[in-house]
Amino acid sequence: LAKTTQPISMDSYEGQEVNITCSHNNIATNDYITWYQQFPSQGPRFIIQGYKTKVTNEVASLFIPADRKSSTLSLPRVSLSDTAVYYCLVGDNNNDMRFGAGTRLTVKP
Amino acid sequence: TAGITQAPTSQILAAGRSMTLRCTQDMRHNAMYWYRQDLGLGLRLIHYSNTAGTTGKGEVPDGYSVSRANTDDFPLTLASAVPSQTSVYFCASSDSLSYEQFFGPGTRLTVL
Repeated sequence: LAKTTQPISMDSYEGQEVNITCSHNNIATNDYITWYQQFPSQGPRFIIQGYKTKVTNEVASLFIPADRKSSTLSLPRVSLSDTAVYYCLVGDNNNDMRFGAGTRLTVKP
Repeated sequence: TAGITQAPTSQILAAGRSMTLRCTQDMRHNAMYWYRQDLGLGLRLIHYSNTAGTTGKGEVPDGYSVSRANTDDFPLTLASAVPSQTSVYFCASSDSLSYEQFFGPGTRLTVL
């Protein structure tokens, strides 16, 4: 199982771009990288997934360098409602992916 | 559609008692999962089921059992609850070809 390391917490201000980096040095060839968002008292919600290079959807972008030993979730122009915990998961199937402690993002006005 | 429902929303249980947490999904997903989340920690996988009729152990399976008699339901049973099982329990499901898991609202369980 690939272990992931993320910052425990981050602060930002409304309108800023936020980048959360996850380290996964022992990622395997078949592993994908998946990010989830969790609000208090709710279950996690899928944000984005990728294998290499860059993936973008309506919510976020995911940047993965060529060696795939890290990944960066980019949230453009955050708002107060983006305050949440963000989890980085690595694995080749959902049974083997592990949620770490995540990164607690606080967006300030 | 309702997605995933869990019941009860919360429960206080005496140690030594048994309890079944219910989880139902209406998305016809093949795979279902049970997680527990403890204060300040991420989610830990308890058990999973890749398809109806099969189950597997996750990261923290001890003290819990599951069954998957059909596609929609995936109950989690605590045969003899202990205080360390106090936690928030989340059920999730996914299509077998996808990494995207859909989570229920959770059940907050307190074992005294």
